[in-house]
Amino acid sequence: QSVLTQPPSVSGAPGQRVTISCTGSSSNVGAGHHVHWYQQLPGTAPKLVIYGNGYRPLGVPDRFSGSKSGTSVSLVISGLQAEDEADYYCQSYDNSLSGHVFGTGTKVTVL
Amino acid sequence: QVQLQESGPGLVKPSETLSLSCNVSGDSIYSFYWSWIRQSPGKGLEWLAYIHYSGSTKYNPSLKSRVTVSLDTSKNQFSLKLKSVTAADTAVYYCARVSFPFGGVGADFDHWGQGTLVTVSS
Repeated sequence: QSVLTQPPSVSGAPGQRVTISCTGSSSNVGAGHHVHWYQQLPGTAPKLVIYGNGYRPLGVPDRFSGSKSGTSVSLVISGLQAEDEADYYCQSYDNSLSGHVFGTGTKVTVL
Repeated sequence: QVQLQESGPGLVKPSETLSLSCNVSGDSIYSFYWSWIRQSPGKGLEWLAYIHYSGSTKYNPSLKSRVTVSLDTSKNQFSLKLKSVTAADTAVYYCARVSFPFGGVGADFDHWGQGTLVTVSS
């Protein structure tokens, strides 16, 4: 059972903005550990799209952004596109588990 | 551009040892930490372990008694061994490069292999 909770699914029309939340606790996000986000297209490996709460790796479109507030973090996709339809996972470090943990995952559907 | 490629048997019998290798190209294995992550069918991601050429390792405490990671600098490869497997270990296994952009214990996984499906069955 993951210690980082995400909504199972979110959806939006092309061009809309969608937000994916990732809720942790005082032993991970609340402890100040950075949160990273991955996009997993069907049948492929995860790809890092946001690191350090809000930084984009080279090549990731600027419609992807991240933010953090307390024990909750969010991934925002502005101007949703068909190719953004994928599963998204947050990831951080947990002091109690003494290891790296992933969120439960969110499926983004483009209507 | 760094590339990672997993290899190993796709079928392992219960109680036996799962062994996988990850070949690293486009980067030196001396430069980073290297990790194994798995994803059970239809489920989420689980971090297993990582290793540095210095010998430094870190394991997921829930699997620590069964997991061993090692590194072969001459082949620019690193490996995973998971012993006493059961059906619950059936998963796609990924190797990945570890990055510590801000220092400390917080790391992200910035490059991944394509993954290899390992099925545990008799």
